[in-house]
Amino acid sequence: QVQLQESGPGLVMPSETLSLTCTVSGGSISSYYWSWIRQPPGKGLEWIGYIYYSGSTNYNPSLKSRVTISLDTSKNQFSLNLTSVTAADTAVYYCARVTYYYDIYYYYYMDVWGKGTTVTVSS
Amino acid sequence: DIQMTQSPSSLSASVGDRVTITCRASQSISSYLNWYQQKPGKAPNLLVYAASSLQSGVPSRFSGSGSGTDFTLTISSLQPEDFATYYCQQSYSTPYSFGQGTKLEIK
Repeated sequence: QVQLQESGPGLVMPSETLSLTCTVSGGSISSYYWSWIRQPPGKGLEWIGYIYYSGSTNYNPSLKSRVTISLDTSKNQFSLNLTSVTAADTAVYYCARVTYYYDIYYYYYMDVWGKGTTVTVSS
Repeated sequence: DIQMTQSPSSLSASVGDRVTITCRASQSISSYLNWYQQKPGKAPNLLVYAASSLQSGVPSRFSGSGSGTDFTLTISSLQPEDFATYYCQQSYSTPYSFGQGTKLEIK
């Protein structure tokens, strides 16, 4: 049974870089898409982006200039870097696996999620 | 970008009630629609994918329907553990987007 676990600093200074890692256990990272999603306090979900096991990426244009998602297959991990953070980046950050159902077309959905990690941007 | 709008934003219901939550897309997304349940302090949990396919392990009282721009999530007989927030999400095109959520509360 695949499990995901986020890790990283819980407090980041404004203007600095937020760095998180998601460790995949119980399965290989060498397939599927792997995604980051965030949720500001009391608000809804925002998709940040994903990385394919081949290394190709796709980012939300609202964050694209500040986001990098990378993969380390040797450690079965993928990571999120978000630069120049402000208080608006304070949120719970989730990693998730993106899988698909094939029925003539590919239907993508996020079926396994990490528990989430809270990141606060404050001085 | 595709905007997803859920209604209602909140809903009060009783155990045993039949409940329907609606999700509307700003353009046609065929059946590229997923539903998630989120309980306080927990990660979202996938309920339905591809508009109407029930995720393994999800109780059969949950069902999804719709195509194009209009979708529904129905809970046929509410159970105490169903009181949570529900989100729809489109995977027709990136950036993936979620509805604002529907909070289901106990009456």
